[in-house]
Amino acid sequence: DVKVTQSSRYLVKRTGEKVFLECVQDMDHENMFWYRQDPGLGLRLIYFSYDVKMKEKGDIPEGYSVSREKKERFSLILESASTNQTSMYLCASSLGRDRDNSPLHFGNGTRLTVT
Amino acid sequence: SQQGEEDPQALSIQEGENATMNCSYKTSINNLQWYRQNSGRGLVHLILIRSNEREKHSGRLRVTLDTSKKSSSLLITASRAADTASYFCATPWGGSTLGRLYFGRGTQLTVWP
Repeated sequence: DVKVTQSSRYLVKRTGEKVFLECVQDMDHENMFWYRQDPGLGLRLIYFSYDVKMKEKGDIPEGYSVSREKKERFSLILESASTNQTSMYLCASSLGRDRDNSPLHFGNGTRLTVT
Repeated sequence: SQQGEEDPQALSIQEGENATMNCSYKTSINNLQWYRQNSGRGLVHLILIRSNEREKHSGRLRVTLDTSKKSSSLLITASRAADTASYFCATPWGGSTLGRLYFGRGTQLTVWP
């Protein structure tokens, strides 16, 4: 089974801090994604990557950046955390060969609170 | 936007009953996927139905797709308390082959013992 591991389940940070959310997958997937999930808004795509060192903006990239130095690892960076970035962050991965028909495999999420 | 929208937002049933959730989307798709999310956890892929399929089964799950109405339904038969979760439909982002998906806001299903 594919395993997508997010480094923290819960995280509390202060406003203005730089925050790193780490995600690792163990199935050699080409595609990796970062979503945030908020009540009433569903899942919204922040950034995604379809290859090492490649990144594409999703629907809400403002205030975030990403890094993909290795195929298995996709990091989400909050350059200067703000309270409106308090949310559940979900990482996912999928095979690249048949991209539109590949299901996403999700991690268990990181619940980030910015105070 | 191709974002799918689930209906109803919340559904409460007794064990043994069937649960039906619907999803509507806006533009042409080549597949539609359903996911499940237990409280506080990540999403788990349930089933994928391609645009040239009308119905697909997986265990107690039955998914239909009507491309003319741009809608899909997920039926869970003989529901169990363990089926309590949120259910999401997801559609590929139009014009992209990069695997990104749009998710609806989900249906919260509660199954009472």
